[in-house]
Amino acid sequence: NAGVTQTPKFRILKIGQSMTLQCAQDMNHNYMYWYRQDPGMGLKLIYYSVGAGITDKGEVPNGYNVSRSTTEDFPLRLELAAPSQTSVYFCASSPGQFGYTFGSGTRLTVV
Amino acid sequence: KQEVTQIPAALSVPEGENLVLNCSFTDSAIYNLQWFRQDPGKGLTSLLLIQSSQREQTSGRLNASLDKSSGRSTLYIAASQPGDSATYLCAVRSQGNEKLTFGTGTRLTIIP
Repeated sequence: NAGVTQTPKFRILKIGQSMTLQCAQDMNHNYMYWYRQDPGMGLKLIYYSVGAGITDKGEVPNGYNVSRSTTEDFPLRLELAAPSQTSVYFCASSPGQFGYTFGSGTRLTVV
Repeated sequence: KQEVTQIPAALSVPEGENLVLNCSFTDSAIYNLQWFRQDPGKGLTSLLLIQSSQREQTSGRLNASLDKSSGRSTLYIAASQPGDSATYLCAVRSQGNEKLTFGTGTRLTIIP
């Protein structure tokens, strides 16, 4: 009963590097989301997906890309990392009109 | 555009007291409202989910109410304990929208 699993838990990137944050869920949820949380700012939606092969932008998509080739996986790609992308990233899933389940987060620092 | 506000940003109360956390939202056309708990350095744990047709939900010492017409929700915590110390976030899913809009949270400290 894993729920939503995010890897890695922590990562330090240098400016200009790229990386992929992994997210997997085992609840057969159609909806998946990526949020970032900055101190005192609440959670902001980066990208979301309503099913395999379908993705859409959220509030703060610049500098990120996503793909959804399977129901289970929803990786988030950071291209050319910038200090402004230092944040905690949360992946979440939902069966639709009901509640969300969140992963434990990835703490990313760009130096 | 939906906006969610939580006041106060921080709250400290002695152990054993009952307390209320507030959440307000600007657009009453919602599917549901969800309360989460977040411990320092951790993810979000779902506490209660209220559908738009419901007025309240209860789980143990927690009770969440929803007044859609006034754009308000409250989270009532009875007989507070030090283990209740955390940040509490409310989030709204608006109609016609697949996304949650979050408030910035209330950081609760229960003083032993």
